[in-house]
Amino acid sequence: GESVGLHLPTLSVQEGDNSIINCAYSNSASDYFIWYKQESGKGPQFIIDIRSNMDKRQGQRVTVLLNKTVKHLSLQIAATQPGDSAVYFCAENTDSSYKLIFGSGTRLLVRP
Amino acid sequence: DGGITQSPKYLFRKEGQNVTLSCEQNLNHDAMYWYRQDPGQGLRLIYYSQIVNDFQKGDIAEGYSVSREKKESFPLTVTSAQKNPTAFYLCASSTLDRVTDEQFFGPGTRLTVL
Repeated sequence: GESVGLHLPTLSVQEGDNSIINCAYSNSASDYFIWYKQESGKGPQFIIDIRSNMDKRQGQRVTVLLNKTVKHLSLQIAATQPGDSAVYFCAENTDSSYKLIFGSGTRLLVRP
Repeated sequence: DGGITQSPKYLFRKEGQNVTLSCEQNLNHDAMYWYRQDPGQGLRLIYYSQIVNDFQKGDIAEGYSVSREKKESFPLTVTSAQKNPTAFYLCASSTLDRVTDEQFFGPGTRLTVL
C-alpha cells in the first residue's frame, strides 16, 4: 500500500495497552473537533467528534478529551489492537465555516 | 450502498498534460471538497463547493480547476500550471445542517506525473 506519511510523529504501543494521541489546535474560535483514522493508501475514516460545549466524549474503545484552556485535544484508544495501526488526524472548524482544518497527523504502530 | 467514489485509483500523467479526477457521491450531501495529501503532511484544501454551480478556492487552488454541474459530482482538473502535481488526492462530502460537521471521504486517487 501507499504510505501517507513518511516523516510523521510516531507512537509505538504494545498490543493491549492504551494509546493516547495528542493534538494542539490553533484557533480559539474553533467549536467542532473530529478525529480521523487513515490506513495506508486509503481515505480517512471518521472515529469520533466533539463540540466545544463538551470536554469529553466516549465511543467504542475510544475517548476524545477537549481542553479549551490550553487548546488541546486528545484521542484515547483502549486495549489497542493491531488493526488500530494507522495515521490519526485531528481536525477543527468554527461555527461560521464548514471548512475543516487538519493537523499533520500521528502514526500509531501497534507491536504484537 | 451509499458513499463516495473516486476514479481512477492510480493515474499517470505526462508533464504538460491536464488530467481530470472523478468524484461522485450518492449521500445527497450539499457540500463537496477536494484535498491534496503529500507524504508527511496533513490534508490541504484545494477547492470546495456548497451548492451546484458554485465553488470556492481553498488554500492551494493554484493550478487546479473544478466544476459542480450536478449535486452528485465534483470533478477536479489538475492543469499543466500545477508545478508539483504528484500527490494523493482525496474527495469528501458533507451535509450543511450542522448536526454534524463530519466530512465523508472517498478512497483517493494517486496521481503521478512522469
